[in-house]
Amino acid sequence: EPEVTQTPSHQVTQMGQEVILRCVPISNHLYFYWYRQILGQKVEFLVSFYNNEISEKSEIFDDQFSVERPDGSNFTLKIRSTKLEDSAMYFCASSSVSYNEQFFGPGTRLTVL
Amino acid sequence: AQKVTQAQTEISVVEKEDVTLDCVYETRDTTYYLFWYKQPPSGELVFLIRRNSFDEQNEISGRYSWNFQKSTSSFNFTITASQVVDSAVYFCALTEGAGSYQLTFGKGTKLSVIP
Repeated sequence: EPEVTQTPSHQVTQMGQEVILRCVPISNHLYFYWYRQILGQKVEFLVSFYNNEISEKSEIFDDQFSVERPDGSNFTLKIRSTKLEDSAMYFCASSSVSYNEQFFGPGTRLTVL
Repeated sequence: AQKVTQAQTEISVVEKEDVTLDCVYETRDTTYYLFWYKQPPSGELVFLIRRNSFDEQNEISGRYSWNFQKSTSSFNFTITASQVVDSAVYFCALTEGAGSYQLTFGKGTKLSVIP
């Protein structure tokens, strides 16, 4: 069964460093998303991406964040200068159409020291 | 703005008991979609069900059933004859149909099934 994959599973970085989180969505899906979940809290939407551009973004997704689909399979989230409060689990998701169920990857746990 | 409320933070049941997880939502749209996701201790988010706002039929899938009531803006989830493997955090989520793509999640209900 096709699935969303994410790498790395765990990333530790120093405050102020740049990180890139990688995702491979399900191959025939057209909509891609990033969410984050701070430990013990609810899942929060960051950004959606369709047709090579951002469709929607939340207030969390400020200038420090960017997304890219550098090739036909990868979808990346970059945090330019990490802060302590960026420590969270980051989930990538994809869906075939915008209102269909979103399938989530296993997540990348980001720890900012 | 859309909102999802899961008032039950944690629930504990003994194996084989039935349990209902509550979800109440708010939206201004007439077209919207509701979802339930399961997050087991391993951390991944597993899709369980999607309902659209025009389909109020209840759904049953094995030991799982869902009760969608527009009149009370609720989309409750019942697990019949609970098992230890059902122990997880369950999230209810909502997306509005008109050009919005984001899922708005509730805070989740942590279900512990005790053997």
